Amino acid sequence: DAGITQSPRHKVTETGTPVTLRCHQTENHRYMYWYRQDPGHGLRLIHYSYGVKDTDKGEVSDGYSVSRSKTEDFLLTLESATSSQTSVYFCAITTRRDRVDGYTFGSGTRLTVV
Amino acid sequence: GDSVTQMEGPVTLSEEAFLTINCTYTATGYPSLFWYVQYPGEGLQLLLKATKADDKGSNKGFEATYRKETTSFHLEKGSVQVSDSAVYFCALHGGSNYKLTFGKGTLLTVNP
Repeated sequence: DAGITQSPRHKVTETGTPVTLRCHQTENHRYMYWYRQDPGHGLRLIHYSYGVKDTDKGEVSDGYSVSRSKTEDFLLTLESATSSQTSVYFCAITTRRDRVDGYTFGSGTRLTVV
Repeated sequence: GDSVTQMEGPVTLSEEAFLTINCTYTATGYPSLFWYVQYPGEGLQLLLKATKADDKGSNKGFEATYRKETTSFHLEKGSVQVSDSAVYFCALHGGSNYKLTFGKGTLLTVNP
């Protein structure tokens, strides 16, 4: 999607290795979110950020950490990847938390942990 | 907490058939309701929305009405096309928190 880029698009990694996914935006939006998508579960929120260095946990945050040192970048790190973290990860951005139609989603990162 | 329940898929229809995908929700306060669509290999796109009771959202021939009395937001289209094949997600925002809560998604396949 215009203004939001996720990298890498695909990654295969081994169990126990650290992995970092990147979400980059050019919209200067304050709020950024990381979701994971799994069959039978829809999208579930992992972590979100409401400003530089301000982050909070979502419903499935165990095993994940995030960092946001600049407005444009929101990093998701799997400290020690497990097979249960095989998923498609989506980043989303919005200007205001109460802006009901302002979520823009990235194209996703497909992560496979073997 | 907030939750969204949508009908299990997959749904397979022939072109020009009528589509209904059911969605019900549980939330405190007065949430806004959405349908998002995900085409193969892509991210989610907003399809339509409704922000208060009795509002009807519509886009690309799809419609959904915010029914507070039945806590529902069912997606309908009168005549589906092959290009409508995608995963459809019902979602709410602004119930007990200011984050999007999604249903599990419904895969729609439309055959020519």
